[in-house]
Amino acid sequence: GAGVSQTPSNKVTEKGKYVELRCDPISGHTALYWYRQSLGQGPEFLIYFQGTGAADDSGLPNDRFFAVRPEGSVSTLKIQRTERGDSAVYLCASSLGTSGRREQFFGPGTRLTVL
Amino acid sequence: RKEVEQDPGPFNVPEGATVAFNCTYSNSASQSFFWYRQDCRKEPKLLMSVYSSGNEDGRFTAQLNRASQYISLLIRDSKLSDSATYLCVVNRGGTDKLIFGTGTRLQVFP
Repeated sequence: GAGVSQTPSNKVTEKGKYVELRCDPISGHTALYWYRQSLGQGPEFLIYFQGTGAADDSGLPNDRFFAVRPEGSVSTLKIQRTERGDSAVYLCASSLGTSGRREQFFGPGTRLTVL
Repeated sequence: RKEVEQDPGPFNVPEGATVAFNCTYSNSASQSFFWYRQDCRKEPKLLMSVYSSGNEDGRFTAQLNRASQYISLLIRDSKLSDSATYLCVVNRGGTDKLIFGTGTRLQVFP
């Protein structure tokens, strides 16, 4: 079956621009997670959704970052006024539920480069 | 102190060797533990969950020591295809949020 998909796979933008990153989770997965991974680091938690609501957004670094999941399936991570420090791979994962014991399945990521 | 700490390596081992990775975590309330594998420029994939009694999956053995807040992964009879980064993952105590270590890089050579 189809795994988690993310678009675009690569995004190059200029400092100060707005970007949207999309995640399409595995069908039937109610939990969706966003992570950011910088070179040489492990994924860093940003936010997770259970259904349509953000259950925990404590990892978002500042108010330039926002994510939505209006119908409980596809999610969009939005970054306003991008900065060079936002350059990273943005990973999305989904799971059957939010129990910490459930396996999270990751998408291939969006590589964001802010010039 | 980081919540999850791992030796970044790299560990360079010959085929057939046994190699062990360790990981420590700081939150004693953590309840869920995993090892994920990440190939270069690819997404992480679950290798195995780690249970209190320890568990084995083929050539891979994971162990948990709650008293020392320490997790280990043992790989026996290393294969070239085992070359990857191994991420230690722990849930933040009392939450469903997963915290990843920086990863340990393994390179198996012929």
